[in-house]
Amino acid sequence: GAGVSQSPSNKVTEKGKDVELRCDPISGHTALYWYRQSLGQGLEFLIYFQGNSAPDKSGLPSDRFSAERTGGSVSTLTIQRTQQEDSAVYLCASSLLDNTGELFFGEGSRLTVL
Amino acid sequence: AQSVTQLGSHVSVSEGALVLLRCNYSSSVPPYLFWYVQYPNQGLQLLLKYTSAATLVKGINGFEAEFKKSETSFHLTKPSAHMSDAAEYFCAVSVPQGGKLIFGQGTELSVKP
Repeated sequence: GAGVSQSPSNKVTEKGKDVELRCDPISGHTALYWYRQSLGQGLEFLIYFQGNSAPDKSGLPSDRFSAERTGGSVSTLTIQRTQQEDSAVYLCASSLLDNTGELFFGEGSRLTVL
Repeated sequence: AQSVTQLGSHVSVSEGALVLLRCNYSSSVPPYLFWYVQYPNQGLQLLLKYTSAATLVKGINGFEAEFKKSETSFHLTKPSAHMSDAAEYFCAVSVPQGGKLIFGQGTELSVKP
């Protein structure tokens, strides 16, 4: 596609359930990023992929959070045993070059944990 | 370590007035700096970026920012605000060899008629 595509756009789940959020980056972009945006918290870095490997996963808040990327393209962020504090907008971005290039963001997946 | 501080979580200006959004950074190496804008229910869009060329950077929609090393600042300005400028603005610093951007907390800009 022309831009970064994220799905679902909205997800409501019950506490304790697992959720998967998907990101389809711009074709040819080698770098992919996940951020979390909570009310009043700004953008919190979660994990960065270069190709299929994740050289920086320092922002993942707990072991309930994991992410993978396959084929150097689509990425999935998985949250296990969701908690109410996981409610946020999860943003995905991709870029051609890491470090100095422009990040292109998707519109985000809004997660609500009841 | 790199960090960004945005002064003021909310700024309100009148239409036609000067817009000034403040950003200060901390970096152990020469930084690359960015301003992004987020309109309601949309993703982030790049406004402008500084990558060690000219210190005065011009971006889209009439915005510009000046890199001042002595003040560790990268403030965003626009001479005359439009209603359509109402959005949230994020300043960010790039982490060398780190592959990620570190964002500030954001500043919500309101424009009054």
